[in-house]
Amino acid sequence: EVQLVESGGGLVQPGGSLRLSCAASGFTFSSYWMSWVRQAPGKGLEWVANIKQDGSEKYYVDSVKGRFTISRDNAKNSLYLQMNSLRAEDTAVYYCARVRGYCSSTSCRYYFDYWGQGTLVTVSS
Amino acid sequence: SYVLTQPPSVSVAPGKTARITCGGNNIGSKSVHWYQQKPGQAPVLVIYYDSDRPSGIPERFSGSNSGNTATLTISRVEAGDEADYYCQVWDSSSDHAVFGGGTQLTVL
Repeated sequence: EVQLVESGGGLVQPGGSLRLSCAASGFTFSSYWMSWVRQAPGKGLEWVANIKQDGSEKYYVDSVKGRFTISRDNAKNSLYLQMNSLRAEDTAVYYCARVRGYCSSTSCRYYFDYWGQGTLVTVSS
Repeated sequence: SYVLTQPPSVSVAPGKTARITCGGNNIGSKSVHWYQQKPGQAPVLVIYYDSDRPSGIPERFSGSNSGNTATLTISRVEAGDEADYYCQVWDSSSDHAVFGGGTQLTVL
């Protein structure tokens, strides 16, 4: 059974840092792209970042570029999100998600087939 | 950046058919995926590649995609279908996943 379990959320002051973790099990972690997706209170879903199987490619939503870093440790079956210079607008539940899909020569068709239960990050003074 | 537009809410009586739309420029050229999210829970994939259903998702859930509109159709709606539904595509021009704003389905 595929399981994704996030941890590391909490209350942090504006400008502070936090590191989220996602422990994966039930599948060959090193074979999949992985993502972080967030959801602000009462709002919709927002994709945050993607990382390739070997960590060689990473993509970010513009609002977190230069502040957040996605990484992974395939030996530990773990995904991470290092969040620096946090802002109030980063307050959200952060979900870890497994990426499925493919790329052709002209486009990619990725989706998220399994999600963790989420971890809440609150940025407030 | 690519934008997906969903109606904020859709209401339907039990046993009837609910249709939730997702609009985007030439969305028919992309693959659309749909997620169901119940209060306090993580999203669940219900349709991928426009019309494919993951195992465990009832046949009552179906999808279509053409032109500028993709549609999630839920037949014989049940009270347990009440949830928020999100469409999603991958925007290859920016290497970003894009979600629609979500539609709250209310079963009357």
